[in-house]
Amino acid sequence: RKEVEQDPGPFNVPEGATVAFNCTYSNSASQSFFWYRQDCRKEPKLLMSVYSSGNEDGRFTAQLNRASQYISLLIRDSKLSDSATYLCVVNIPNDYKLSFGAGTTVTVRA
Amino acid sequence: GAVVSQHPSWVICKSGTSVKIECRSLDFQATTMFWYRQFPKQSLMLMATSNEGSKATYEQGVEKDKFLINHASLTLSTLTVTSAHPEDSSFYICSARVGIGGVGTDTQYFGPGTRLTVL
Repeated sequence: RKEVEQDPGPFNVPEGATVAFNCTYSNSASQSFFWYRQDCRKEPKLLMSVYSSGNEDGRFTAQLNRASQYISLLIRDSKLSDSATYLCVVNIPNDYKLSFGAGTTVTVRA
Repeated sequence: GAVVSQHPSWVICKSGTSVKIECRSLDFQATTMFWYRQFPKQSLMLMATSNEGSKATYEQGVEKDKFLINHASLTLSTLTVTSAHPEDSSFYICSARVGIGGVGTDTQYFGPGTRLTVL
């Protein structure tokens, strides 16, 4: 079983729509959770950390469900510039290393 | 935020040659840097963890004699792909740990990546 699993998508949505997707992680002892954004042929960039109580950053909302071991990301009022691959990232317990999901591709169309 | 640079951004080389990739933390000191490889449509795969002043720790399946890592200072780590072959063609990305807390609380910032093509 992969440490981090994501629906690869793609999610094709019109501008202004809301899109949401999840990822699941296998190690219940993981402590840190992140969403990164990766554009085509570029490096990943930190979008937001995910906290236990859930957190919001502008149009982006992240939720963590420890009981079910999944993390979600919701994007409201989608913009064309939101088109990217979103990587779910989880820390390896008791280590500084991170595990990456394969990414969920979102395409926002005009 | 923290800035990490990588050089070169892309390189094309002949099979059998060696290629060196540099990773620098520009505005902070990084005691730990990580090297990843990413093949098309796949996730980032950690190759090795690089600590300043000590030997790198390689992930299972990564040949340490083929992928030489040197972390000479708190702001520079290098990855050398020795005797490169076409199957080594990939996107190599480094990251640096910005640590203000204990294990599990750190954030990694990534360099822009190096696209290696071996002919």
